[in-house]
Formats: sequence, structure tokens, C-alpha cells
Amino acid sequence: EAQVTQNPRYLITVTGKKLTVTCSQNMNHEYMSWYRQDPGLGLRQIYYSMNVEVTDKGDVPEGYKVSRKEKRNFPLILESPSPNQTSLYFCASSSRGGGKGYTDTQYFGPGTRLTVL
Amino acid sequence: AQSVTQLDSQVPVFEEAPVELRCNYSSSVSVYLFWYVQYPNQGLQLLLKYLSGSTLVESINGFEAEFNKSQTSFHLRKPSVHISDTAEYFCAVSRMDSSYKLIFGSGTRLLVRP
Repeated sequence: EAQVTQNPRYLITVTGKKLTVTCSQNMNHEYMSWYRQDPGLGLRQIYYSMNVEVTDKGDVPEGYKVSRKEKRNFPLILESPSPNQTSLYFCASSSRGGGKGYTDTQYFGPGTRLTVL
Repeated sequence: AQSVTQLDSQVPVFEEAPVELRCNYSSSVSVYLFWYVQYPNQGLQLLLKYLSGSTLVESINGFEAEFNKSQTSFHLRKPSVHISDTAEYFCAVSRMDSSYKLIFGSGTRLLVRP
């Protein structure tokens, strides 16, 4: 089954304690992305990756790091989490859509709800 | 820069009634348009998309959206809703020259009542 998996699904942590949220896809997609979802703001892109070892900042990258060492995995790292990073996080992946760029469906993971105390 | 506006944060409607969820966008370049749906405690799923051609696009579960370039709108409609349509709906755009980057609206929560 084609899917994007995220772990953990729920996480409560304290300010300053480093954490990693994992993301993995089994569809051989080149493109992967991280979003955060906050009430009234919709989804905002944190980082994205066009392929292995190619990553770039999205709209709200401050306080986050990513890496893309393998095509299937795209972990999100919070080196020193703060309460304003309490949010619902989504990983997504997609492939090129036959001549129309990345217009193929973006597949989303189930989300990780993070609370930073 | 592109932006997406969904003016209605919540739309309550009775079962079997019609519904329209509004989406307006702003962009100085040509864009692709999408509607995603998020059911409770799940990730987002693509509902439908407009890339080119006919301005009316349909989904497999009875939703449709019409691209109106002059009004920069992409409203989502369904003639008769079901309880199972209760979800949050997000409108999104991407530039044709950087189509990997989706810009989302703030979402509209559709609440279908019996």
C-alpha cells in the first residue's frame, strides 16, 4: 500500500530537549516536504527536498533542521524546541506529474501532534 | 507572492442540502489549483485539481469546482451533502514554474448535520 508514515504520532516534550520526527514514504517519490498546521493559519511549509542531499527552506524554517540521506526518509529535527513550536506536523511526498511539474497528488502522512511545555 | 483566502472558517449545513465552500487566490503568475480534504484525525487527501483545459473539475465523490480566472476564484460545490462529508477542506495553489510548492488557505470546516 502506497503510504507516508510518521513517528511518533503524539509527542509531549519540554523546552530545549532535542527531538526528531521521522517520515518515510514507499512510493519512490523525489519530492518530500514538511508542513505545520496551526488553527486559522492552514498549512505552512517548513522545509522541502527535491531529491537526496537536496533540501531548501520553506516559509517557516526557523528552529527546524532536516536531512535527506536516503530517498525514502526525510526526518524533521528540532534541536531546541520551544513552546511556539507546539503544532500539528505533516510530512508529504510527490513525484513529477508527466510534464506539468509536481502536480501529481501530494501524499500526506497521518500527522504528528507535538506539545512543547 | 501567492496567497489563498478561504473566508468561511466553518460552514454548517443540513444533510442533503447543497453547499459551496469559497476560495479566492491572488497571484501575478499562472497557477495550478487544488482542493484537499482532511477527515478527523487524518492527513490531507487530494479531492480535485485544476491544471488546464475545462474550467469545471469533478471529484469521484460528487464534489466539483470551477476555475474562474477573472474573479480569481476556485469555489468548491456539492449539490447534496452527506454526514460523511464532515471534514476540513483546504484550497491550495502552486505556481506553474515551481509547482512543488503548495500555498494553502486557512481551511473551511464543513459540518453536516442530520
